[in-house]
Amino acid sequence: IVLTQTPLSLPVTPGEPASISCRSSQSLLHSNGYNYLDWYFQKPGQSPQLLIYLGSYRASGVPDRFSGSGSGTDFTLTISRVEAEDVGIYYCMQALNIQLTFGGGTRVEI
Amino acid sequence: QVRLVQSGAEVRKPGSSVKVSCKASGDSFDSFTFSWVRLAPGQGLEWMGGIIPMYETAKFAHKFRDRITLSADKSTNTAYMKLSNLTSDDTAFYYCARGKVGATLAPFDVWGQGTLLTVSP
Repeated sequence: IVLTQTPLSLPVTPGEPASISCRSSQSLLHSNGYNYLDWYFQKPGQSPQLLIYLGSYRASGVPDRFSGSGSGTDFTLTISRVEAEDVGIYYCMQALNIQLTFGGGTRVEI
Repeated sequence: QVRLVQSGAEVRKPGSSVKVSCKASGDSFDSFTFSWVRLAPGQGLEWMGGIIPMYETAKFAHKFRDRITLSADKSTNTAYMKLSNLTSDDTAFYYCARGKVGATLAPFDVWGQGTLLTVSP
């Protein structure tokens, strides 16, 4: 399964909203009703961290300015009000197919 | 607080192999899956494979199937990744990542600090 993220680079303004798209080559909707699409964030020099799982569930400790939406093949990560600490690279990842795959990443910069 | 602590940086020559460890703190090692993800210079995250210690099974990305070995020692709560026949393209940060035993290996809620592998003549 191929995941295509857009844009590749996203200039943002603190306090303003931002969104990233992730499009899958196949539907990620399982028969159990869940979308097996996760979002991760990696700051420079740090390990990745989980933001959103199963398409729209916020991981523990993740600020509520982050939200995930979408179903099937089209997904969106939204930051309601960008903060300076949100600078880094965002990745979507599909876990429906046993061959897990990541999107190419979106670099968010102020 | 649950942590994954990985072994230190490695330098290897082309054609050789490397084994990276990932020690999990806390209980219930058997309740989790452990995947390996790498980040090469100028590239994005790449899933390599994952192991389910409870079932003693592993899944691999097709790209690495022929030269990756995953193992887990339940007595020490440690997962291992061995990569063989190294080339310069394997120079990267390698991360272990924890998931819960379930329908899939993901999501990865805890990550190790990363291990830098440099492959150079």
